[in-house]
Amino acid sequence: DTGVSQDPRHKITKRGQNVTFRCDPISEHNRLYWYRQTLGQGPEFLTYFQNEAQLEKSRLLSDRFSAERPKGSFSTLEIQRTEQGDSAMYLCASSLVYAGGNGYTFGSGTRLTVV
Amino acid sequence: AQTVTQSQPEMSVQEAETVTLSCTYDTSENNYYLFWYKQPPSRQMILVIRQEAYKQQNATENRFSVNFQKAAKSFSLKISDSQLGDTAMYFCAFMNRNQGGKLIFGQGTELSVKP
Repeated sequence: DTGVSQDPRHKITKRGQNVTFRCDPISEHNRLYWYRQTLGQGPEFLTYFQNEAQLEKSRLLSDRFSAERPKGSFSTLEIQRTEQGDSAMYLCASSLVYAGGNGYTFGSGTRLTVV
Repeated sequence: AQTVTQSQPEMSVQEAETVTLSCTYDTSENNYYLFWYKQPPSRQMILVIRQEAYKQQNATENRFSVNFQKAAKSFSLKISDSQLGDTAMYFCAFMNRNQGGKLIFGQGTELSVKP
């Protein structure tokens, strides 16, 4: 297992199109997190899953955003009707429930550009 | 709500010298972790050091150490013997142990180590 994988690395899309990103966590990690990072800022929490259950969603996650984690393995983050303000790096991370932060592993991110 | 503030957007240091990055946070919680993460230009977030709030002893990891002042809600990172590979964005982050493991990040400090 080589860590947290995100696909694609880069995505350019036209405003109004839908996009979907995928995250493959470390296989034994039962928690999976999504963050958004805009240029020059720290990551902002979007949502997290414990196994297949989505346990928390940030106010940042508007109704155009949806995330799933079927069967508690990989996760997808979909953005419908993209807007220029959605341009950002989308980071995925995974951990064990009781890792206390030590086992928190980030992926390399998907950079979204909406034109 | 918890907040994390990094007041130094950019810093630079000569190779082999020591530099300190500042971080303050605000919370009413007592059970939490604090972290410093490094994000090199490749964009993958890497854990540098972790501090548990109930531990008075400051954490150290090789050339990296923290000065944790719980009453003042301050958590600075000291990098000794700076190396060119330390050049990166550094983020301070907070985790409430009772809130599912999500991280609250500061705005980041861009550190440049000069030869």
